[in-house]
Amino acid sequence: QVQLQESGPGLVKPSETLSLTCTVSGDSISSYYWSWIRQPPGKGLEYIGYMYYSGSTNYNPSLKSRATIELDTSKNQFSLRLSSVTAADTAVYYCARARSSGCFRFEYWGQGILVTVSS
Amino acid sequence: DIQMTQSPSSLSASVGDRVTITCRASQSVNIYLNWYQQKPGKAPKFLIYAASNLQDGVPSRFSGSGSGTDFALTISSLQPEDFATYYCQQSIGTPYTFGQGTKLEIK
Repeated sequence: QVQLQESGPGLVKPSETLSLTCTVSGDSISSYYWSWIRQPPGKGLEYIGYMYYSGSTNYNPSLKSRATIELDTSKNQFSLRLSSVTAADTAVYYCARARSSGCFRFEYWGQGILVTVSS
Repeated sequence: DIQMTQSPSSLSASVGDRVTITCRASQSVNIYLNWYQQKPGKAPKFLIYAASNLQDGVPSRFSGSGSGTDFALTISSLQPEDFATYYCQQSIGTPYTFGQGTKLEIK
């Protein structure tokens, strides 16, 4: 059974870069789409982006090119960097494995990590 | 971006009830529509893909229907563990977008 676990700082200062890592177990990241989704407290879900194992990426334009997703196949991990953060970036961040066959869907999710942007 | 609108936003029901949650897209998404269940403090759980296909392990009391712009998630006989928030998500194109959620509460 594939499992994902987010890690990283829970507090980031405004204008700095948020950096999170997702460790994957039970599966190789040399396949599938590896994604990030976030959820502001008490609100709905927002797609951030994905990286396909081949290296192609897709990001939500609403983030205005601030997001970068990378894979580290040697560690079976992938990461998210979000630059120039503001209070509006405060959210629970989820990593997820997605599949595209037939219909792109987020099949497996990490437990989530709350990141607060505050000085 | 494609806007996804769910109704109702909240719903009270009893164990054993049949309930239906609807999801409407601002433009046709064909059958590229998924459903997720989220319990408080937990990650979303993937339930249904391509409008009507149950993910492995999802109980058969869950079903999905629809195409184009109008979709529905039906739970045929509510169980205590089904009380949660449900989200639809379109995947016909990026950015992938979610509905605002429907909170299913115990009456």
